[in-house]
Amino acid sequence: AQKVTQAQTEISVVEKEDVTLDCVYETRDTTYYLFWYKQPPSGELVFLIRRNSFDEQNEISGRYSWNFQKSTSSFNFTITASQVVDSAVYFCALSGGGAGTASKLTFGTGTRLQVTL
Amino acid sequence: DTGVSQDPRHKITKRGQNVTFRCDPISEHNRLYWYRQTLGQGPEFLTYFQNEAQLEKSRLLSDRFSAERPKGSFSTLEIQRTEQGDSAMYLCASGRLAVNNEQFFGPGTRLTVL
Repeated sequence: AQKVTQAQTEISVVEKEDVTLDCVYETRDTTYYLFWYKQPPSGELVFLIRRNSFDEQNEISGRYSWNFQKSTSSFNFTITASQVVDSAVYFCALSGGGAGTASKLTFGTGTRLQVTL
Repeated sequence: DTGVSQDPRHKITKRGQNVTFRCDPISEHNRLYWYRQTLGQGPEFLTYFQNEAQLEKSRLLSDRFSAERPKGSFSTLEIQRTEQGDSAMYLCASGRLAVNNEQFFGPGTRLTVL
């Protein structure tokens, strides 16, 4: 069975601070995909990143960066110089990647990020 | 591409009534998923279609729930004899079979069962 753990329920930071959201996953698949989604107050899930299990390179996109470490089964997400508009619930998710799989997503419980002025 | 659309956005119903939700995926996306999200939780998988074929159903999908995707385009999710425990956000996502498990989500339908 697959499992995603986001131990941080809620994080509050002041604007311009850096913040890291933790994600730990469990899977027996050798091929799998990891995702981060953002859910603002409007409720729609916004896709941020997808990473496959064979690519451990860290990725940076603007103020966002992701650290994938297979050795610790973690896929952490850092926001640099946070802004009020970053306030949202962030979900980490996992899917199997084998041929013929449904590729359904298993989500963590989410981390609510509150950025204040 | 227009995004995934869902209708209605909100539905309030009385216990015991039937409700039906619609999802229109991104055009040419052959994969379609339904998820359910309750307050304070992450979305949970309900069912999956590849074109018109329903290939997987979660144990969460009781016999009161039925989903269809006629002609492999839009999909409907029906809940019969609704219960208060069915109150949740119902999310639809679509993706392309050949593209690395991508899934793009619609805005969801929020169901409240009184």
